[in-house]
Formats: sequence, structure tokens, C-alpha cells
Amino acid sequence: EVQLVESGGGFVQPGGSLRLSCAASGFTFSSYSMNWVRQAPGKGLEWVSYISSSSSSIYYADSVKGRFTISRDNANNSLSLQMISLRAEDTAVYYCARDKWDLPGDFDYWGQGTLVTVSS
Amino acid sequence: DIQMTQSPSSLSASVGDRVTITCRASQSISSYLNWYQQKPGKAPKLLIYAASSLQSGVPSRFSGSGSVTDFTLTISSLQPEDFATYYCQQSYSSFYTFGQGTKLEIK
Repeated sequence: EVQLVESGGGFVQPGGSLRLSCAASGFTFSSYSMNWVRQAPGKGLEWVSYISSSSSSIYYADSVKGRFTISRDNANNSLSLQMISLRAEDTAVYYCARDKWDLPGDFDYWGQGTLVTVSS
Repeated sequence: DIQMTQSPSSLSASVGDRVTITCRASQSISSYLNWYQQKPGKAPKLLIYAASSLQSGVPSRFSGSGSVTDFTLTISSLQPEDFATYYCQQSYSSFYTFGQGTKLEIK
């Protein structure tokens, strides 16, 4: 069974940093590209970042470029999102999402999400 | 970025109704269009990919159609578990974007 479990969310002040993690199991993690998608409270979905299976391709939404860094550890089946210079508008539930095999951008499995709250 | 616009933003319907949600892209996205269902407090679930392909395990009452810029999600006969929010999403550009969502409520 495919499982994605996020962790690392919490409360942080504006300008602060946080590192999110996503533990993957039930599939060959190294064969799939992965993403982070977020959802502000009561709002819609916003794609945040993409990383290819080998980490050779990485993309970010304009709203987080230069502040967020996506990475992965295929040996340990984990995905990370390092977030710095956090702003109030980064407050959201952050989901890791797997791409359907060979179909980047089609998110077929999602984690349960981890809440990040940026507030003074 | 490619803008995705859904209509309506909300919709009231009854069990057994046929429902259609539309999604329009700001430029051509061929058939790179996905549909997701999200229930309160839960992660989104992929329903339809590549505009018209049914994701494994999704009931056949869900169907998708369209290409280029105009797409539709149809639920042929609403069931109680279908009341949720639905999002379209383009995967044509590497900078993926979602529609604003359509909340489907019980009439």
C-alpha cells in the first residue's frame, strides 16, 4: 500500500524557517517524481514545487522561489522541503504528492498533510 | 502561468442528479487536464487524468471530456459520498496550476 506521511509542520514567526519531511513507503520511491502542494485555510490548492526521480529537474512556484528548497533522499525514501524567510501567506496545510508513473503533474497519491502556521 | 477557471464556484444538487462542472484554461493545454475530489479535512483524490482517463478505483459515474482549453467533469448520478469540492488542474506546463474549486452541496 502506498503511503506518504508528512511531518515537521508547526508554528513559526515571520522570517523564520521550517523543514518539512515526507516519508514514503509501499512503492519504489526512486522511480517517481514528487511534489509539494499547499492549501491555505479555507482556500484552494496551490502547487509549490516538483522534483524528478533523480533530482535532475526541480521547479518552484513563483511565490516560493528563492525561499523554499525541495530535495529527496532515495536511499531513505524521503522527500523534504526546506522553507526560509517564511511569511504569513505561507500559512497552509502542506501535502506531499506523488506523480503518476511517467505522467508528471498527475498527482495520484497524497499524504495527509502537515500544517504550517506563520504568525507573530 | 496558465490560469484555470472553473464554473460554477458552487452548486446545489440532489442525489441521483446528473452534474457537470466546467474548467477553462487560459491557453491551450491539449489534454493535460486532471480532476480531483476533496472532502473536508482530507487530502485531494485523483479522479480523472489526461482529461478523460478514469483513475483506478474511481466509480464509472465520473467521466471527463474536453481538450485544448475547455473541459468538463460529469457525475452521471450523484451519490451521497460525492458531495465535496472538485478541482481541475493543468499538467501541460511544468508550473502546475489548479482551478479555484467547485463546491458541490446537497440541495
